[in-house]
Amino acid sequence: NAGVTQTPKFRVLKTGQSMTLLCAQDMNHEYMYWYRQDPGMGLRLIHYSVGEGTTAKGEVPDGYNVSRLKKQNFLLGLESAAPSQTSVYFCASRWTVGTEAFFGQGTRLTVV
Amino acid sequence: GEDVEQSLFLSVREGDSSVINCTYTDSSSTYLYWYKQEPGAGLQLLTYIFSNMDMKQDQRLTVLLNKKDKHLSLRIADTQTGDSAIYFCAETNNAGNMLTFGGGTRLMVKP
Repeated sequence: NAGVTQTPKFRVLKTGQSMTLLCAQDMNHEYMYWYRQDPGMGLRLIHYSVGEGTTAKGEVPDGYNVSRLKKQNFLLGLESAAPSQTSVYFCASRWTVGTEAFFGQGTRLTVV
Repeated sequence: GEDVEQSLFLSVREGDSSVINCTYTDSSSTYLYWYKQEPGAGLQLLTYIFSNMDMKQDQRLTVLLNKKDKHLSLRIADTQTGDSAIYFCAETNNAGNMLTFGGGTRLMVKP
């Protein structure tokens, strides 16, 4: 089983460029999440989805957009990248409330 | 909103017990979790506890929950060098949709 797969694993962007991070899960999970991890700040929730076609804002949504057109995919978009968005991004999915969340391996994004 | 806090760093000697602490603010938290992150990797679930439990034991791991003080701890018995990692506590809010993490505790195990 692939579990949760994030694409790409590494990326360097120039300020103002746009990009999309893809998260794919093959476990038929309803809930999907995007987090960013910064030193000393743990994981902060950017956006999440509780099912196909639904999205909601998390703790730090500004500068990001998401879409969940297909149940298995959760896309995170940066329309105009800023150096403050340099971070490691993690996607997670889980079946429902109280169940284990499975994480991808992360995407290391650097904005110069 | 919810807030989950942990101390940043813990150092122990191999064979000792480690205790990692976590405090949270949401009194309606239903599930509380401990995740482990090894260098360059994603997070893996270690164990979890439901809010109506006080304690859960799983091999070398013991989770204690003090719901009155909103305090969660993870005890690792006979800590090994392979336990060196960052440990995150997390909680699910009352609505059950969000999963909120603490800042992580870096555990260093010295031989």
